[in-house]
Amino acid sequence: AQSVAQPEDQVNVAEGNPLTVKCTYSVSGNPYLFWYVQYPNRGLQFLLKYITGDNLVKGSYGFEAEFNKSQTSFHLKKPSALVSDSALYFCAVRDIGSGNTGKLIFGQGTTLQVKP
Amino acid sequence: GAVVSQHPSWVICKSGTSVKIECRSLDFQATTMFWYRQFPKQSLMLMATSNEGSKATYEQGVEKDKFLINHASLTLSTLTVTSAHPEDSSFYICSAAGQASYNSPLHFGNGTRLTVT
Repeated sequence: AQSVAQPEDQVNVAEGNPLTVKCTYSVSGNPYLFWYVQYPNRGLQFLLKYITGDNLVKGSYGFEAEFNKSQTSFHLKKPSALVSDSALYFCAVRDIGSGNTGKLIFGQGTTLQVKP
Repeated sequence: GAVVSQHPSWVICKSGTSVKIECRSLDFQATTMFWYRQFPKQSLMLMATSNEGSKATYEQGVEKDKFLINHASLTLSTLTVTSAHPEDSSFYICSAAGQASYNSPLHFGNGTRLTVT
């Protein structure tokens, strides 16, 4: 079964510092990985995805993620955090394959708190 | 970009009544829509998957008679919470897939906050 794990419930960083939000995955076959952000009482906004190609993926709002096959990780990163980046972040894997619906399977979520 | 509109954004209803939530894809055709439920500070739990013109597929443990899903057109899916009870209070989010390709991200509505009193 496909799954993703986000080992940290919360990440705290100071504004201007780099940030990393961790994600590890477990899939059979090639992973289709996504990062989403959720602001309070809102739906999810797509940040970036990895399907194939370069291991470093660039996305919206200055975020990027590094796919590491040997470590089965897909950590979200940003060189310089903003207070407005404070939100709930979800890593997800697409459930693919014959008979599967293509649903997204989400990690537990990580709250990012950026302090001024 | 692809836009998914969800309505209402919040609703308060009395115990025993039914509530309908709409999910519309505004600028693309959604062959598949997913309905999720989210408790405070928790992850999203998939409730069901609906394909246009066919019956929804419910996840294990989700009561199909309580959470009625209809996907009558390529741009509209509805979730009806029937005979709502306080334990049904939650944040419900829909998402839509516009292409038959797993490369494409799913697009999400802004969610509906349901409070049952």
